[in-house]
Amino acid sequence: QKEVEQNSGPLSVPEGAIASLNCTYSDRGSQSFFWYRQYSGKSPELIMFIYSNGDKEDGRFTAQLNKASQYVSLLIRDSQPSDSATYLCAVTASSASKIIFGSGTRLSIRP
Amino acid sequence: DGGITQSPKYLFRKEGQNVTLSCEQNLNHDAMYWYRQDPGQGLRLIYYSQIVNDFQKGDIAEGYSVSREKKESFPLTVTSAQKNPTAFYLCASSISVGGSGELFFGEGSRLTVL
Repeated sequence: QKEVEQNSGPLSVPEGAIASLNCTYSDRGSQSFFWYRQYSGKSPELIMFIYSNGDKEDGRFTAQLNKASQYVSLLIRDSQPSDSATYLCAVTASSASKIIFGSGTRLSIRP
Repeated sequence: DGGITQSPKYLFRKEGQNVTLSCEQNLNHDAMYWYRQDPGQGLRLIYYSQIVNDFQKGDIAEGYSVSREKKESFPLTVTSAQKNPTAFYLCASSISVGGSGELFFGEGSRLTVL
């Protein structure tokens, strides 16, 4: 089992709709969870982070965390073509010694 | 401006050669990391360092070496022992390992073996 799992996609969503990206993790002691966006050929940039169970909203983005189910998700409302990118889920190991990335989900917003 | 600088951006290596990728940060961060990314894949951890003169192996350290002689610098050497070194290499830093965890990335170095 991979430590952090994501569906590789591509996930195709019409412009203006809600894009839903999912991630599961295996380390039950993980405390910090991150979503990074990566455009092709570029380095990742932080979109959201979440530490507590529940929802966290920032503009069009909402991160959701369920530690009991070991599940974290990212919702993008009113999807725009500029949201087309790969989204990487990252989790801090329970030892707090390193950050582990999933393989990413490729999102495509179609006009 | 504060940030992370990686060089070179593009690098070509012949079989059997060692190459060193530079990573410098002026964010005053304690922790620094090297990740490797292959096409269509996520980031895999090569090495990380929490403090000067100390570093730990990540998940794919074989064929790589690092040093951390200064807080600002964390160079990565790709040795001839790394059998498949063609990849996109990303250096990152964070305030501390296990802190907020937010990583700040450099622009990356793309290594191609000829």
